[in-house]
Amino acid sequence: DGGITQSPKYLFRKEGQNVTLSCEQNLNHDAMYWYRQDPGQGLRLIYYSQIVNDFQKGDIAEGYSVSREKKESFPLTVTSAQKNPTAFYLCASSSRTNSYEQYFGPGTRLTVT
Amino acid sequence: EDQVTQSPEALRLQEGESSSLNCSYTVSGLRGLFWYRQDPGKGPEFLFTLYSAGEEKEKERLKATLTKKESFLHITAPKPEDSATYLCAVRGLNDYKLSFGAGTTVTVRA
Repeated sequence: DGGITQSPKYLFRKEGQNVTLSCEQNLNHDAMYWYRQDPGQGLRLIYYSQIVNDFQKGDIAEGYSVSREKKESFPLTVTSAQKNPTAFYLCASSSRTNSYEQYFGPGTRLTVT
Repeated sequence: EDQVTQSPEALRLQEGESSSLNCSYTVSGLRGLFWYRQDPGKGPEFLFTLYSAGEEKEKERLKATLTKKESFLHITAPKPEDSATYLCAVRGLNDYKLSFGAGTTVTVRA
């Protein structure tokens, strides 16, 4: 079955530690995205990538980093510079030839204490 | 900057009680308006894409419509399994990304 996988589902870290969230897709989509979701707020875009080896900052990129070495993979690193990292993180992908409808993974809930 | 406002924030319905959710938007050249359903603790599930004013799409008890300034998601004779948060998003003319509203949480009681 084609789809997007994110791992782990739950992640706990101590303040000051960097953490990397995994996102893999087998939909053959060119574009991939990372969003953050907080209670009562819409999804906010962190980073996006239209093609391999290229990515752009979204609306809230500070304290985050990404890489896009393979078409299937778009990992997100939450660095210690992110002031409020506890949130629900969602990865999505879309085809550049299909109206950019985005399909989402199941999400990773990160808790930093 | 693209903006999306959804109302109401929350909607409580009795099973069978039809209602509508609103999504108002401002965007520089609409390239698509998207509706998603999200269950608690899960990723959003794609429902519909609308492209131009007057367009309508249906799926089971859901029907989405679009005007030049807003979209409506009509829920006809809802069932408890329709309980979820419904998200609206838009894509502008020169954007590869989507701008999302905060969502409407629908609770349907049996």
